[in-house]
Amino acid sequence: QKEVEQNSGPLSVPEGAIASLNCTYSDRGSQSFFWYRQYSGKSPELIMFIYSNGDKEDGRFTAQLNKASQYVSLLIRDSQPSDSATYLCAVSGGFKTIFGAGTRLFVKA
Amino acid sequence: NAGVMQNPRHLVRRRGQEARLRCSPMKGHSHVYWYRQLPEEGLKFMVYLQKENIIDESGMPKERFSAEFPKEGPSILRIQQVVRGDSAAYFCASSPGLGDTEAFFGQGTRLTVV
Repeated sequence: QKEVEQNSGPLSVPEGAIASLNCTYSDRGSQSFFWYRQYSGKSPELIMFIYSNGDKEDGRFTAQLNKASQYVSLLIRDSQPSDSATYLCAVSGGFKTIFGAGTRLFVKA
Repeated sequence: NAGVMQNPRHLVRRRGQEARLRCSPMKGHSHVYWYRQLPEEGLKFMVYLQKENIIDESGMPKERFSAEFPKEGPSILRIQQVVRGDSAAYFCASSPGLGDTEAFFGQGTRLTVV
């Protein structure tokens, strides 16, 4: 079982819709959870982090964490073509941060 | 406020040569991570270092790869006797504290082995 799993996609949504990205992790001791966005040929950039169960909202982005289910998600409201990228889920429990393989998102204009 | 600086941005090496990749963390950050990303794949953890110490190298291949983060100067990822399979993007990230704080990435070094 992979430590951090994501659906590779591609996930295609129309402009203005809600994009829902999901991630599961195997280490119950994980404490911190991050979402990074990576445009093709570029480095990952942090867009959200969450430490506690529940929802965390920042602009059009909402991160959701359920530690009991070992599940973290990212919702993007009012999706824009500029949101088209690969979204990487990252999980940390101490010394290292483990990344998922990423989900490709396409937002169609 | 300079971010994480990696150089070179692009590196071409012939099979059997050595590749040396450099990473200068953000100011005030003493923790450095190296990741490898193959085309169309996610980031794979390689090694986590603090100044003068390797904390976790569980993702590093046992042979040909080494990393250091000296007291002065950048962190270095060294790949000896490169092979075509080493061609990838190598990203460095830094953070101010333990792994549960966010890490900031450099622009990466794209290594091509010919």
